[in-house]
Amino acid sequence: QSALTQPRSVSGSPGQSVTISCTGTSSDVGGYNYVSWYQQHPGKAPKLMIYDVSKRPSGVPDRFSGSKSGNTASLTISGLQAEDEADYYCCSYAGRYIRVFGGGTKLTVL
Amino acid sequence: EVQLVESGGGLVQPGGSLRLSCAASGFTFSGYSMNWVRQAPGKGLEWVSYISGSSSTIYYADSVKGRFTISRDNAKSSLYLQMNSLRAEDTAVYYCARGGLNYADDYWGQGTLVTVSS
Repeated sequence: QSALTQPRSVSGSPGQSVTISCTGTSSDVGGYNYVSWYQQHPGKAPKLMIYDVSKRPSGVPDRFSGSKSGNTASLTISGLQAEDEADYYCCSYAGRYIRVFGGGTKLTVL
Repeated sequence: EVQLVESGGGLVQPGGSLRLSCAASGFTFSGYSMNWVRQAPGKGLEWVSYISGSSSTIYYADSVKGRFTISRDNAKSSLYLQMNSLRAEDTAVYYCARGGLNYADDYWGQGTLVTVSS
């Protein structure tokens, strides 16, 4: 149950697009189409932004999109806004109801 | 409105025990799997345990297997986590989360802080 690999930080200016990567193995990210992404503001609970690699829960802006290629999943945020500044975590199903999270990426909006 | 409210956290000595609770409302509790996820201070998220709606399927992360026990009472719409043989590395905010979308958690509680220290 090793953690998925994410960049520690990314940044972008308002209106720009940023992409956060999440690398795992064939036993987790590459083996299932069950990658999810969570946004967490300081002192708050995580919020689901993407599930099943690329699906958005109701209420999540379509500026947020997800994709996957091989053992790497990606979260792209387009039209960056100040309120998008937060920590982002990827999570993958790894079989037998076990889930593995990434280490988290701090997004800074310049 | 879906609500999850954790309680039971606090300061406990190494080797001690603690029982966390999560009170659910706003949805048919028995129809959903539930998870416990924790976050050590300044660190990332770590999945801890899973329980199906009927309690027939239960799984744990290797880091807590044999020490923690997840359970639920559907009549009371409540989720529990019994934590025994606590270690300093178990210090974290513990969140309960509803497994509403395949293997993703669509609702989270506000968390309860567990501190293991002498």
